[in-house]
Amino acid sequence: GAGVSQSPRYKVAKRGQDVALRCDPISGHVSLFWYQQALGQGPEFLTYFQNEAQLDKSGLPSDRFFAERPEGSVSTLKIQRTQQEDSAVYLCASSLDGTARGSLETQYFGPGTRLLVL
Amino acid sequence: RKEVEQDPGPFNVPEGATVAFNCTYSNSASQSFFWYRQDCRKEPKLLMSVYSSGNEDGRFTAQLNRASQYISLLIRDSKLSDSATYLCVVNMRWNSGYSTLTFGKGTMLLVSP
Repeated sequence: GAGVSQSPRYKVAKRGQDVALRCDPISGHVSLFWYQQALGQGPEFLTYFQNEAQLDKSGLPSDRFFAERPEGSVSTLKIQRTQQEDSAVYLCASSLDGTARGSLETQYFGPGTRLLVL
Repeated sequence: RKEVEQDPGPFNVPEGATVAFNCTYSNSASQSFFWYRQDCRKEPKLLMSVYSSGNEDGRFTAQLNRASQYISLLIRDSKLSDSATYLCVVNMRWNSGYSTLTFGKGTMLLVSP
């Protein structure tokens, strides 16, 4: 079966440009997560959706970051007026049910979008 | 202080060696624990969950000490294909019911012939 997919895989943006990153979770997965992974660091939580509801956006670094999942499947992470410090890999993960325990909440990661802001 | 701290690495070991990774976490309310593996320029993939009783999967053994807030991963008879970054991951469950993962920085393992 298809895993989590993300597009684009690579994005080069000029400072100040807006970017939109797309995530297609595994079909039927209720929970969707966005993470930011800077070079040499572990992934850091950005935001969480349960179906279309954004239940936690505490990890978004600034109000330039915005995420949505309007129909409870595909999600978009938008970064406005990109800055050099936004350069990172943006990972999307989904799980069947993030409120359950055990294997139902195992998160499956997409390949990430590598963003470079010049 | 970071919520999840790991050995800084990298660990350079010959094939066949036994290598151990250590991890500590700061939030005593953390509820479940994992080791993920991340290959260069790839996404993290679940290696194994970590249980209080300790668990083993082939050459890999994971241990959890809740009192010390300490997690370990032991790899025996290491293979070239074990070369990767190993991420210690802690799952926090919030009152609203959902859970989020907190990752350590990762420890890189390089296995040489």
